[in-house]
Amino acid sequence: GIQVEQSPPDLILQEGANSTLRCNFSDSVNNLQWFHQNPWGQLINLFYIPSGTKQNGRLSATTVATERYSLLYISSSQTTDSGVYFCAVQQGAQKLVFGQGTRLTINP
Amino acid sequence: ETGVTQSPTHLIKTRGQQVTLRCSSQSGHNTVSWYQQALGQGPQFIFQYYREEENGRGNFPPRFSGLQFPNYSSELNVNALELDDSALYLCASSLYPTQPQHFGDGTRLSIL
Repeated sequence: GIQVEQSPPDLILQEGANSTLRCNFSDSVNNLQWFHQNPWGQLINLFYIPSGTKQNGRLSATTVATERYSLLYISSSQTTDSGVYFCAVQQGAQKLVFGQGTRLTINP
Repeated sequence: ETGVTQSPTHLIKTRGQQVTLRCSSQSGHNTVSWYQQALGQGPQFIFQYYREEENGRGNFPPRFSGLQFPNYSSELNVNALELDDSALYLCASSLYPTQPQHFGDGTRLSIL
């Protein structure tokens, strides 16, 4: 099956810093989503981005489908950005396959 | 617009018992998927229901079963609970199987 790899596994930053999270996938996909899981376990949709670039406030994402990777950018980090960021991909019409996540810690 | 709701939020069971978890899909969504998330791992696909029919299943034993009702809400049933079933169970709904999935807050299941 398709493989999804996220990097880095852990990232510790000071408030105000910028960060880039990467997601590589091993085959073509029709759906790619980025999620933020907060410390209470809630999985929040950030982007639906099978290709192209999208921006939402301090967050933006780019997916280069032909090269099978996606990037999530977080600018001017805040402590509330802490948590685990997941990339998930879908082939066809069934399951999302998740990466192992990047654990982001933003220190005040 | 009501989002995806799951109940209960927390549950404690003992080995060998049976459990039923419930999920109400987002308004207008006819597809529900269930995932299991063990501690420190990404969510793993259990199965998906589309218009009351199972539409795909992950690598989980038959003691994990489910159904979807005419209003598109769904249940996940787990029989003969094992210690390894302790996890966060997430439900997601989507407009159609190929559309973005929106997750509920999950049910945290602990097996003693």
